Amino acid sequence: GQQLNQSPQSMFIQEGEDVSMNCTSSSIFNTWLWYKQDPGEGPVLLIALYKAGELTSNGRLTAQFGITRKDSFLNISASIPSDVGIYFCAGRTAGNNRKLIWGLGTSLAVNP
Amino acid sequence: EAGVAQSPRYKIIEKRQSVAFWCNPISGHATLYWYQQILGQGPKLLIQFQNNGVVDDSQLPKDRFSAERLKGVDSTLKIQPAKLEDSAVYLCASSLVPGANEKLFFGSGTQLSVL
Repeated sequence: GQQLNQSPQSMFIQEGEDVSMNCTSSSIFNTWLWYKQDPGEGPVLLIALYKAGELTSNGRLTAQFGITRKDSFLNISASIPSDVGIYFCAGRTAGNNRKLIWGLGTSLAVNP
Repeated sequence: EAGVAQSPRYKIIEKRQSVAFWCNPISGHATLYWYQQILGQGPKLLIQFQNNGVVDDSQLPKDRFSAERLKGVDSTLKIQPAKLEDSAVYLCASSLVPGANEKLFFGSGTQLSVL
């Protein structure tokens, strides 16, 4: 099925560094969702975006809905060890067939 | 508030055997989803229920997979017979209302290994 292009695939950073990841699509979305998945758990919603250009923060996390409605990014500032996990973007298509399309995930490792 | 409950957490079976997973969504959530997540990939939707009706089962392998949500609350997903490629984590998710502002809440999943 259709999937988003999420990058980078993996990141290994030092504690305290900032992190940026993004998702792009050839389709227009009217919703972007960012999830984090810890090992052995289901994805947990971090940030939801509903309007083009919207910039939303949740603690050290900031996400933006791209103006073209075909992309979104997630930034994590001052990373800490518990940020380790897999981050997924998911976009909901516009129109009557409002499917939720998932990226393949960005695996984040933080070196304390 | 209790989250989405799933059981079992782990299941190991041999190919051609049958297996069933159970999900209890967040109270009051009308929409329920079953996803399959293969290692290294994002979740793939298998089936979506709105109350006890099926909204989308276009990616459900209906020759071997079945799901039901008889009373619009709990749901079960069954695989019969299982194949090696069915090894994955099966995630259940629920949401309060469908639509553009819909937010999905996931359970911890059932990790299935088919030997």
